[in-house]
Order: sequence, then structure tokens, then C-alpha cells
Amino acid sequence: GAGVSQTPSNKVTEKGKYVELRCDPISGHTALYWYRQSLGQGPEFLIYFQGTGAADDSGLPNDRFFAVRPEGSVSTLKIQRTERGDSAVYLCASSLTPTTEAFFGQGTRLTVV
Amino acid sequence: GIQVEQSPPDLILQEGANSTLRCNFSDSVNNLQWFHQNPWGQLINLFYIPSGTKQNGRLSATTVATERYSLLYISSSQTTDSGVYFCAVEDNAGNMLTFGGGTRLMVKP
Repeated sequence: GAGVSQTPSNKVTEKGKYVELRCDPISGHTALYWYRQSLGQGPEFLIYFQGTGAADDSGLPNDRFFAVRPEGSVSTLKIQRTERGDSAVYLCASSLTPTTEAFFGQGTRLTVV
Repeated sequence: GIQVEQSPPDLILQEGANSTLRCNFSDSVNNLQWFHQNPWGQLINLFYIPSGTKQNGRLSATTVATERYSLLYISSSQTTDSGVYFCAVEDNAGNMLTFGGGTRLMVKP
């Protein structure tokens, strides 16, 4: 596609539920990143994929968070047993290769009630 | 990890004024990008500038990598320039961007 696409745009879920957030990167981009942005702050790194493998997952806050990219294109961020503190905007980015210019999607606003 | 500091944190301008936003970082970098986050939350790429100077219309940016800072210049500001400007860097150790805290710009008509 023309840009990074994220779905859904907004997600409201109840505390304790499971959610999946989807990212469709720019075609041909091998690197894919997930970030989380809380109100009034800059985005914070969660996980980075090079191809199908998670090259760096050091930003995932705990084991309730997991992400996959099975075919090296679309990625899904999965959050189990959601908590109110998980409420934030989740941003996805892709780049042609690592260290080249990264482009961001419009984000998914997750609200846990 | 690498530290990124942006200044000023908040800036109010009258339409037509010029401004300079600063980004300091604590270590050498492979990549530096400037973004504008619009009121709808979209991060818009302004510059990919690990070193040197670039210009795009009313905006220009300079990165002095040896001194670990970058500057974003906005000339003849317009109300549509309002929003948050982020600097983000990628250090030699990792492949992710580390963001500064942003500069919140409001341009008044």
C-alpha cells in the first residue's frame, strides 16, 4: 500500500479482555516496529521485526504483550488480560531496511475500561 | 540507552514568525528524524537527517553529529504548523528510534 496501515483506528475493551492490533507495513519494507504513546509523551519502543523474526523485544513491558509477523509483512500485536494502564495509542512503523527512514501509521487508540 | 532532549517544551508564535527547535542527544547516532505530529495523532516525516543540512520549503534542519545536536528551523510560521514536533534518533547499539519529549508549538493567527 501507499503507507503504513493500522486497524482498528480505535478499540475500547473491558479490563481483562484480550485484544489484537494489526499493522500492514509499506510494501517491500523488511523492518517493522511497534511503539506505544501515552498522552503528552513521545512514542516508546516496544518491539522490532527484521523479516519474520523479532530482532529486539526489549521494550515489551511484560509477558502479557506479544507480537508476530509470520510471513514477514503484516504484524499483529497481542495483549492478554488487558489492564487500564495499557490504554494508549499504539503506533506501527516500517522502514526499507534497518537504519533507513521510518514511516509511521496513524495508530490504534486503545482504551481499557 | 541514548538520551534525547528537546527544547523548548512549549512554544507560542504569532503567525509569520520564525523559530528554532533544538534536539540534543547523548551518544553517536546512525539515524535522526524529525516528525510533526498533527492534531489527529499522525506522525508526519519532516526530515531524515543523520548529518548535514536539508531544506524543504519553509522548513530546514541541520544536524551536527560530532556535537550531538540537531536544529529544526521554521520560517514564516502558519497556523497549520501547530502541533508537536518530535526528534527521534537511532543509536549504534540498536535498530529502534528513541524519541525526545517533543516541542508543542501553537501558532496564533
